[in-house]
Amino acid sequence: SQQGEEDPQALSIQEGENATMNCSYKTSINNLQWYRQNSGRGLVHLILIRSNEREKHSGRLRVTLDTSKKSSSLLITASRAADTASYFCATVPMNSGYSTLTFGKGTMLLVSP
Amino acid sequence: NAGVTQTPKFQVLKTGQSMTLQCAQDMNHEYMSWYRQDPGMGLRLIHYSVGAGITDQGEVPNGYNVSRSTTEDFPLRLLSAAPSQTSVYFCASSFGTSGRQYFGPGTRLTVL
Repeated sequence: SQQGEEDPQALSIQEGENATMNCSYKTSINNLQWYRQNSGRGLVHLILIRSNEREKHSGRLRVTLDTSKKSSSLLITASRAADTASYFCATVPMNSGYSTLTFGKGTMLLVSP
Repeated sequence: NAGVTQTPKFQVLKTGQSMTLQCAQDMNHEYMSWYRQDPGMGLRLIHYSVGAGITDQGEVPNGYNVSRSTTEDFPLRLLSAAPSQTSVYFCASSFGTSGRQYFGPGTRLTVL
């Protein structure tokens, strides 16, 4: 069953603008991860945020986590056409013996030049 | 390092045929998984392995078998292909119990 749900399902912006995607989940987590998937390709890990962290940065990426609301957001600043891809959040349950990631359905981001 | 490799890239099967999707990783990861991705469904876990000789079922295991005889390889077998198994299949591996996963490029399977 889907744990994470991304919002919006699709997002279209211009180069240079910021893109924000949200993820909500249902159960307590060990960590939450964001992945990118270019069309027809495999998933690429972007960032991992643990349940005791509230914010994390990596280059133009900023991820926040609110465990009280069971939600996370991914902000991509100064978007580029190369950022066009689908973005997925994935959660690892608390007390999981193995990182059985549960993925959401993804947000499709289109960045126009 | 080649990372996670998958073969074949594309495959067309007839209903009832069997086949094996290959997955290999050269990062000495203990943990490996198989996912399927269907339009509008995200990725769903089929089977996973926490080490050689140890496998377990994921969310959608029916119709698939796995085995793990070596750390490097984790093949996925379709016993009797059905049109419902038309999908893109991804193999992934990870080092720790809750860390990032490394994905292969995928196998696009069509069952007629």
